[in-house]
Amino acid sequence: EAGVVQSPRYKIIEKKQPVAFWCNPISGHNTLYWYRQNLGQGPELLIRYENEEAVDDSQLPKDRFSAERLKGVDSTLKIQPAELGDSAVYLCASSPNSGATDTQYFGPGTRLTVL
Amino acid sequence: GESVGLHLPTLSVQEGDNSIINCAYSNSASDYFIWYKQESGKGPQFIIDIRSNMDKRQGQRVTVLLNKTVKHLSLQIAATQPGDSAVYFCAENSGYSTLTFGKGTMLLVSP
Repeated sequence: EAGVVQSPRYKIIEKKQPVAFWCNPISGHNTLYWYRQNLGQGPELLIRYENEEAVDDSQLPKDRFSAERLKGVDSTLKIQPAELGDSAVYLCASSPNSGATDTQYFGPGTRLTVL
Repeated sequence: GESVGLHLPTLSVQEGDNSIINCAYSNSASDYFIWYKQESGKGPQFIIDIRSNMDKRQGQRVTVLLNKTVKHLSLQIAATQPGDSAVYFCAENSGYSTLTFGKGTMLLVSP
């Protein structure tokens, strides 16, 4: 079974430029998550989708970050404009549903460097 | 100077030793806990989980212990192998599938 797929794996941009990350979850997984992981720290949730609905976006900096999950499968996370502090690894995860004990499976992440 | 976040606690062991990685969690209402392993350049990989109504759970070469009284979680790895070298994170479910990750511990296994 294929795991969570993310692209690109690496991205280097200059500040104030836009950037987008793509995620394809495990087939059949209804719940999709975007996390940000700063160097040396654990992942922090940005947004959670149940099918195509964003049910928890309380930690998403909405002034510059946006996300969508059209048709409830693939998802895109966008930053516009990027700032130096956005340099991090952006992880996508999926789970069968959003139950408290549903295991979250992570993709390899996109490492973003903002210069 | 360097950020405090870069200084991961590190556990160095010899191949074949048993490893114990500890984690303190914050929310006494959390009822589900997970250990993840993260190798360099990869996403976190699920290892083992435990619910709050249990004190111990065993998997293949791994055991998780939960002490709710002191809000402490530990991961024991038996007969540690070089392939176990990675950063290990504990995570708690603090409400409706929202995971809160702890600070990681780097495990270094020497052959």
